[in-house]
Amino acid sequence: GAGVSQTPSNKVTEKGKYVELRCDPISGHTALYWYRQSLGQGPEFLIYFQGTGAADDSGLPNDRFFAVRPEGSVSTLKIQRTERGDSAVYLCASSLVQHNEQFFGPGTRLTVL
Amino acid sequence: SQELEQSPQSLIVQEGKNLTINCTSSKTLYGLYWYKQKYGEGLIFLMMLQKGGEEKSHEKITAKLDEKKQQSSLHITASQPSHAGIYLCGADKSGSNYKLTFGKGTLLTVNP
Repeated sequence: GAGVSQTPSNKVTEKGKYVELRCDPISGHTALYWYRQSLGQGPEFLIYFQGTGAADDSGLPNDRFFAVRPEGSVSTLKIQRTERGDSAVYLCASSLVQHNEQFFGPGTRLTVL
Repeated sequence: SQELEQSPQSLIVQEGKNLTINCTSSKTLYGLYWYKQKYGEGLIFLMMLQKGGEEKSHEKITAKLDEKKQQSSLHITASQPSHAGIYLCGADKSGSNYKLTFGKGTLLTVNP
C-alpha cells in the first residue's frame, strides 16, 4: 500500500523566500507529525496534528514556521522569510491513532542559500 | 538538544558478525522506539518497547528495554550487508504518547 509521501523531495531557495512543504499521510491515519533533521542529528519534533487541529506545536522554532491540515489529511508546513539555518531534512510521519508506531515519509531536503 | 545518548556513533563489522547498539537516557522512558534510516530515505520502524524488561525480536534483530526503562539495546545476529544504515532510538520522554525525542543515531557498515 501507499506510504507517507512528501513533496518536493528537494527544495533549494534563497534566504528570505517563502516555502511550502507538503505531506500526504497514509490514508485513514488521523495523527500527523512533522520533524526536522539536521545533518548528523536525529529528528526533532516540530508539530503534531490530531485530525485538523494542531494538538501540539511546541516544537516549532519560531513564528516563521506554520503548519496546516485543513481537511484532516494532507498537511503543509510553511516557512516564511527562510534563513540559512532552516536548511535541513523535513520529515513527516503519520499514525493510525496517537500512541501507535509512526510511519515516516522520505522527507524534503530544504537548502537555503 | 539531544537527550538520548547512542553508542557507538559508528560501527563497522564483517558480514556474519554479531553487534550491539545502545541507547541511554538519564530519565525514565515511557516508550522506546527503534528505527532504521538509509541515506536520503525516511525512517523505517523496527520495534517499540514499553515495559521494563521487555524484549522483542524480528528476524535477526532483538531489542531490549532494561528494568528501569532508562536503557535499551539493539542486537543484530549474523549481520548482513542489508543491515547497513543508521539506527535511531526514539523515546517518549514526557508520556505524551506522540512526541518522540531521538538520539543522534548509530551508523552501521557491514562489509561483505
